[in-house]
Amino acid sequence: GNSVTQMEGPVTLSEEAFLTINCTYTATGYPSLFWYVQYPGEGLQLLLKATKADDKGSNKGFEATYRKETTSFHLEKGSVQVSDSAVYFCALSAGGTSYGKLTFGQGTILTVHP
Amino acid sequence: ETGVTQTPRHLVMGMTNKKSLKCEQHLGHNAMYWYKQSAKKPLELMFVYSLEERVENNSVPSRFSPECPNSSHLFLHLHTLQPEDSALYLCASSLFQGAGYEQYFGPGTRLTVT
Repeated sequence: GNSVTQMEGPVTLSEEAFLTINCTYTATGYPSLFWYVQYPGEGLQLLLKATKADDKGSNKGFEATYRKETTSFHLEKGSVQVSDSAVYFCALSAGGTSYGKLTFGQGTILTVHP
Repeated sequence: ETGVTQTPRHLVMGMTNKKSLKCEQHLGHNAMYWYKQSAKKPLELMFVYSLEERVENNSVPSRFSPECPNSSHLFLHLHTLQPEDSALYLCASSLFQGAGYEQYFGPGTRLTVT
């Protein structure tokens, strides 16, 4: 079956530090890949997505590249801010019999200190 | 209202009560989803509706009963719940059901079963 594995958290950084959150996946076929962010007390918001190999998704300074050869979709940001503190979820959506169902990783808590 | 809304935001109910969660999407989407988010567990897909027809039910106990009267509204009827059902229940929608279609989430209903 499909699965997503994220790096263990929590991750604690100082403002302006470089961020990487690792995400690897297992899926049949060619899934679409997503990063979602959840701020305290809120639902999930789509951060970025990529639908085919070598695509780069980007939004609000965050980037992730769909790497089929390493089955990875690592999230990066060059300079984090306190307002980026949240929980980040990597997810995949596959075709076939899964009908586009989202499979999520366990989430990574990010805390950014001033 | 814009996006995906959910009511109530918080709900406390006893094990013998009957209550309903409501979700409404204002995005013109055709697919809607219920997810359960428990502490320290990945998000779990509960139900999927596409064009008002249930297309997936992930072995959810019968004490959870979904209803989708039209493409904009989704309900989750609850009865005889257990304390382990306490969680954040998230509703989502997408333009169509299928890989590559990102899902948009509501803020969730925080359910506590006493």
